[in-house]
Amino acid sequence: GAVVSQHPSWVICKSGTSVKIECRSLDFQATTMFWYRQFPKQSLMLMATSNEGSKATYEQGVEKDKFLINHASLTLSTLTVTSAHPEDSSFYICSASNRLTNTEAFFGQGTRLTVV
Amino acid sequence: AQSVSQHNHHVILSEAASLELGCNYSYGGTVNLFWYVQYPGQHLQLLLKYFSGDPLVKGIKGFEAEFIKSKFSFNLRKPSVQWSDTAEYFCAVEVGFQKLVFGTGTRLLVSP
Repeated sequence: GAVVSQHPSWVICKSGTSVKIECRSLDFQATTMFWYRQFPKQSLMLMATSNEGSKATYEQGVEKDKFLINHASLTLSTLTVTSAHPEDSSFYICSASNRLTNTEAFFGQGTRLTVV
Repeated sequence: AQSVSQHNHHVILSEAASLELGCNYSYGGTVNLFWYVQYPGQHLQLLLKYFSGDPLVKGIKGFEAEFIKSKFSFNLRKPSVQWSDTAEYFCAVEVGFQKLVFGTGTRLLVSP
């Protein structure tokens, strides 16, 4: 299958700082990328959908000013957690797909964020 | 709201035992259903998917799943598990173009 890479795999940051997570499609052009969050012992919850070159669409309850998503190219989407707080500590996973060629989305390995 | 329910949070089996993981969904439209697996420290990987046609779907590594529309179910099965099947398994329903709603996952431990 196609390869999607997230960076970093884990990050620890201080409360109040911002953290950027990158999601790259390595061997295909991703017209659409999805960002999910997984709290311990819970399911993956979709946060937002981003289409290359346009603004992200956020799910209900997700603060767009806190979770900034940029999908400026067909191979890269970034999620920035702004002014992070301990309650933002979670596992963030992206998936990527090409609307024209893919019948499935491919997942990154996830980023574990710990805010102290 | 759409939801996916996985009944077993933890399953422990011995090698060669048969596996069945339950998945029920609530979604009013035409359903596309998926099972993903996440091996320790690795990405989510697609095991199999159902879009239409034969309700018995065969996937990789000897897994299969059966879509039963009347029961809103899409249970995952494998006749004989191996130690290497130790992983977490997620059922998901597509609610928009490749936009997925996941179940809570089932952790499978296969003892040698």
